[in-house]
Amino acid sequence: AQRVTQPEKLLSVFKGAPVELKCNYSYSGSPELFWYVQYSRQRLQLLLRHISRESIKGFTADLNKGETSFHLKKPFAQEEDSAMYYCALSRAAGNKLTFGGGTRVLVKP
Amino acid sequence: EPEVTQTPSHQVTQMGQEVILRCVPISNHLYFYWYRQILGQKVEFLVSFYNNEISEKSEIFDDQFSVERPDGSNFTLKIRSTKLEDSAMYFCASDPTGDTQYFGPGTRLTVL
Repeated sequence: AQRVTQPEKLLSVFKGAPVELKCNYSYSGSPELFWYVQYSRQRLQLLLRHISRESIKGFTADLNKGETSFHLKKPFAQEEDSAMYYCALSRAAGNKLTFGGGTRVLVKP
Repeated sequence: EPEVTQTPSHQVTQMGQEVILRCVPISNHLYFYWYRQILGQKVEFLVSFYNNEISEKSEIFDDQFSVERPDGSNFTLKIRSTKLEDSAMYFCASDPTGDTQYFGPGTRLTVL
Protein backbone atom coordinates (compact mmCIF):
# COMPACT_ATOMS: atom_id res chain seq x y z
CA ALA A 1 0.00 0.00 0.00
CA GLN A 2 1.15 3.52 -0.66
CA ARG A 3 1.33 6.21 1.96
CA VAL A 4 2.29 9.90 1.93
CA THR A 5 3.34 11.77 5.04
CA GLN A 6 3.63 15.51 5.47
CA PRO A 7 4.98 15.97 8.99
CA GLU A 8 4.28 19.68 9.30
CA LYS A 9 0.67 20.82 9.57
CA LEU A 10 1.66 24.49 9.65
CA LEU A 11 4.68 26.41 8.43
CA SER A 12 4.92 30.08 9.23
CA VAL A 13 7.69 32.09 7.56
CA PHE A 14 8.45 35.72 6.89
CA LYS A 15 8.34 37.15 3.39
CA GLY A 16 11.66 36.66 1.65
CA ALA A 17 12.68 33.72 3.83
CA PRO A 18 13.22 30.25 2.40
CA VAL A 19 10.50 27.68 2.85
CA GLU A 20 10.72 23.90 2.67
CA LEU A 21 7.74 21.59 2.92
CA LYS A 22 8.57 18.01 3.71
CA CYS A 23 6.97 15.03 2.02
CA ASN A 24 7.88 11.40 2.61
CA TYR A 25 6.29 8.46 0.90
CA SER A 26 6.20 4.72 1.13
CA TYR A 27 5.68 2.66 -1.96
CA SER A 28 7.59 -0.35 -3.19
CA GLY A 29 7.52 0.56 -6.89
CA SER A 30 8.47 3.69 -8.82
CA PRO A 31 5.80 6.24 -8.04
CA GLU A 32 4.88 9.50 -9.65
CA LEU A 33 4.96 12.37 -7.16
CA PHE A 34 3.02 15.60 -7.27
CA TRP A 35 2.55 18.78 -5.31
CA TYR A 36 -0.90 20.34 -5.35
CA VAL A 37 -1.74 23.76 -3.91
CA GLN A 38 -5.05 25.07 -2.66
CA TYR A 39 -5.34 28.83 -2.22
CA SER A 40 -8.06 30.19 0.01
CA ARG A 41 -11.52 29.31 -1.32
CA GLN A 42 -10.09 27.87 -4.52
CA ARG A 43 -9.76 24.40 -5.99
CA LEU A 44 -6.80 22.07 -5.77
CA GLN A 45 -4.32 23.01 -8.48
CA LEU A 46 -1.33 21.08 -9.69
CA LEU A 47 1.82 22.94 -8.72
CA LEU A 48 4.41 20.56 -10.08
CA ARG A 49 5.21 16.93 -10.78
CA HIS A 50 8.52 15.21 -10.43
CA ILE A 51 8.55 13.90 -13.99
CA SER A 52 8.57 17.36 -15.53
CA ARG A 53 11.43 18.59 -13.29
CA GLU A 54 10.31 22.16 -13.73
CA SER A 55 10.11 25.16 -11.47
CA ILE A 56 6.68 26.72 -11.02
CA LYS A 57 6.21 30.04 -9.20
CA GLY A 58 9.76 29.65 -7.92
CA PHE A 59 9.05 26.26 -6.31
CA THR A 60 11.14 23.18 -6.98
CA ALA A 61 10.96 19.63 -5.70
CA ASP A 62 13.43 16.82 -6.08
CA LEU A 63 12.54 13.18 -5.84
CA ASN A 64 15.00 11.39 -3.57
CA LYS A 65 14.35 7.69 -3.98
CA GLY A 66 16.92 6.74 -1.36
CA GLU A 67 15.18 8.79 1.30
CA THR A 68 11.73 8.31 -0.28
CA SER A 69 11.17 12.03 -0.11
CA PHE A 70 9.83 14.75 -2.39
CA HIS A 71 10.34 17.96 -0.46
CA LEU A 72 9.08 21.25 -1.89
CA LYS A 73 11.33 24.29 -1.67
CA LYS A 74 11.26 27.96 -2.48
CA PRO A 75 14.23 30.21 -1.71
CA PHE A 76 12.26 33.42 -1.15
CA ALA A 77 8.67 33.07 0.04
CA GLN A 78 6.07 35.63 -1.04
CA GLU A 79 2.83 36.54 0.71
CA GLU A 80 0.85 35.11 -2.20
CA ASP A 81 2.40 31.70 -1.44
CA SER A 82 0.17 31.44 1.64
CA ALA A 83 -1.96 28.38 0.95
CA MET A 84 -2.48 24.71 1.72
CA TYR A 85 0.01 22.41 0.03
CA TYR A 86 -0.59 18.71 -0.58
CA CYS A 87 1.93 16.11 -1.63
CA ALA A 88 0.45 13.23 -3.61
CA LEU A 89 1.58 9.94 -5.08
CA SER A 90 0.34 7.86 -7.97
CA ARG A 91 1.44 4.32 -8.78
CA ALA A 92 1.26 4.91 -12.51
CA ALA A 93 -0.54 6.87 -15.19
CA GLY A 94 -4.30 6.75 -14.83
CA ASN A 95 -4.14 5.66 -11.22
CA LYS A 96 -5.58 7.28 -8.12
CA LEU A 97 -3.74 9.90 -6.14
CA THR A 98 -2.82 9.19 -2.54
CA PHE A 99 -2.54 12.44 -0.64
CA GLY A 100 -0.60 13.53 2.40
CA GLY A 101 -2.35 15.39 5.15
CA GLY A 102 -1.34 18.79 3.83
CA THR A 103 0.80 21.63 5.13
CA ARG A 104 -0.60 25.09 5.63
CA VAL A 105 1.93 27.77 4.73
CA LEU A 106 1.55 31.23 6.14
CA VAL A 107 3.87 33.89 4.80
CA LYS A 108 3.97 36.90 7.06
CA PRO A 109 4.86 40.38 5.80
CA GLU B 1 -8.96 27.84 -19.78
CA PRO B 2 -11.50 25.02 -19.33
CA GLU B 3 -12.21 23.87 -15.78
CA VAL B 4 -13.98 21.03 -14.05
CA THR B 5 -17.28 22.21 -12.61
CA GLN B 6 -19.34 20.70 -9.80
CA THR B 7 -22.90 21.26 -8.65
CA PRO B 8 -24.23 22.00 -6.17
CA SER B 9 -21.56 23.80 -4.19
CA HIS B 10 -23.32 22.85 -0.96
CA GLN B 11 -25.88 20.11 -0.37
CA VAL B 12 -27.70 19.59 2.90
CA THR B 13 -29.66 16.37 3.32
CA GLN B 14 -31.29 14.24 5.97
CA MET B 15 -29.75 10.95 7.00
CA GLY B 16 -31.09 8.12 4.88
CA GLN B 17 -31.81 10.31 1.86
CA GLU B 18 -30.28 9.81 -1.56
CA VAL B 19 -28.00 12.48 -2.97
CA ILE B 20 -26.52 12.95 -6.41
CA LEU B 21 -23.41 15.05 -6.81
CA ARG B 22 -22.75 16.29 -10.30
CA CYS B 23 -19.53 17.00 -12.11
CA VAL B 24 -18.81 18.24 -15.62
CA PRO B 25 -15.28 17.16 -16.50
CA ILE B 26 -13.11 18.99 -18.98
CA SER B 27 -14.07 18.11 -22.53
CA ASN B 28 -12.00 15.34 -24.16
CA HIS B 29 -10.65 14.09 -20.85
CA LEU B 30 -10.67 10.33 -20.54
CA TYR B 31 -10.11 9.56 -16.85
CA PHE B 32 -12.49 10.59 -14.11
CA TYR B 33 -12.25 10.43 -10.34
CA TRP B 34 -14.11 11.17 -7.14
CA TYR B 35 -12.34 12.01 -3.89
CA ARG B 36 -13.64 13.21 -0.57
CA GLN B 37 -12.22 15.11 2.37
CA ILE B 38 -13.82 14.88 5.78
CA LEU B 39 -13.17 18.04 7.77
CA GLY B 40 -9.68 17.96 9.26
CA GLN B 41 -8.69 14.77 7.46
CA LYS B 42 -6.82 13.78 4.32
CA VAL B 43 -8.20 13.88 0.81
CA GLU B 44 -9.27 10.27 0.19
CA PHE B 45 -9.78 8.46 -3.10
CA LEU B 46 -13.23 7.02 -3.73
CA VAL B 47 -13.39 5.78 -7.31
CA SER B 48 -11.84 6.09 -10.74
CA PHE B 49 -13.68 5.70 -14.04
CA TYR B 50 -12.28 5.03 -17.49
CA ASN B 51 -13.74 3.75 -20.73
CA ASN B 52 -17.24 3.82 -19.23
CA GLU B 53 -16.47 1.59 -16.32
CA ILE B 54 -15.03 1.72 -12.83
CA SER B 55 -11.31 1.08 -12.98
CA GLU B 56 -10.63 1.19 -9.26
CA LYS B 57 -12.56 1.82 -6.06
CA SER B 58 -11.61 2.21 -2.44
CA GLU B 59 -13.01 0.46 0.62
CA ILE B 60 -15.10 3.55 1.25
CA PHE B 61 -16.92 3.06 -2.05
CA ASP B 62 -19.36 0.41 -0.88
CA ASP B 63 -22.77 -0.59 -2.24
CA GLN B 64 -24.25 2.73 -1.13
CA PHE B 65 -22.14 4.55 -3.71
CA SER B 66 -22.42 4.51 -7.48
CA VAL B 67 -21.06 6.53 -10.38
CA GLU B 68 -22.41 7.20 -13.83
CA ARG B 69 -21.45 9.04 -16.95
CA PRO B 70 -24.81 8.90 -18.66
CA ASP B 71 -24.45 11.37 -21.50
CA GLY B 72 -20.75 11.66 -22.19
CA SER B 73 -20.44 14.94 -20.35
CA ASN B 74 -21.76 14.70 -16.79
CA PHE B 75 -20.09 12.44 -14.25
CA THR B 76 -22.24 11.80 -11.20
CA LEU B 77 -21.72 10.31 -7.78
CA LYS B 78 -24.79 8.90 -6.07
CA ILE B 79 -25.07 8.02 -2.43
CA ARG B 80 -28.20 5.93 -1.95
CA SER B 81 -28.80 6.28 1.76
CA THR B 82 -26.65 8.93 3.35
CA LYS B 83 -25.10 8.52 6.78
CA LEU B 84 -23.82 11.19 9.13
CA GLU B 85 -20.26 10.10 8.38
CA ASP B 86 -20.76 10.87 4.67
CA SER B 87 -20.56 14.57 5.54
CA ALA B 88 -17.49 15.79 3.68
CA MET B 89 -16.20 17.83 0.77
CA TYR B 90 -16.47 15.79 -2.43
CA PHE B 91 -14.08 16.54 -5.27
CA CYS B 92 -14.35 15.45 -8.85
CA ALA B 93 -11.25 15.30 -11.05
CA SER B 94 -10.65 14.61 -14.70
CA ASP B 95 -7.48 13.75 -16.57
CA PRO B 96 -6.83 13.88 -20.32
CA THR B 97 -4.25 11.12 -20.64
CA GLY B 98 -3.79 9.63 -17.18
CA ASP B 99 -0.93 11.78 -15.96
CA THR B 100 -2.42 15.03 -14.64
CA GLN B 101 -5.63 15.29 -12.64
CA TYR B 102 -7.60 18.54 -12.73
CA PHE B 103 -9.90 19.10 -9.79
CA GLY B 104 -13.30 20.71 -9.48
CA PRO B 105 -14.13 23.20 -6.72
CA GLY B 106 -15.89 20.57 -4.64
CA THR B 107 -19.36 19.98 -3.23
CA ARG B 108 -19.80 20.29 0.51
CA LEU B 109 -22.22 17.58 1.65
CA THR B 110 -23.80 17.99 5.07
CA VAL B 111 -25.86 15.08 6.39
CA LEU B 112 -28.15 15.93 9.30
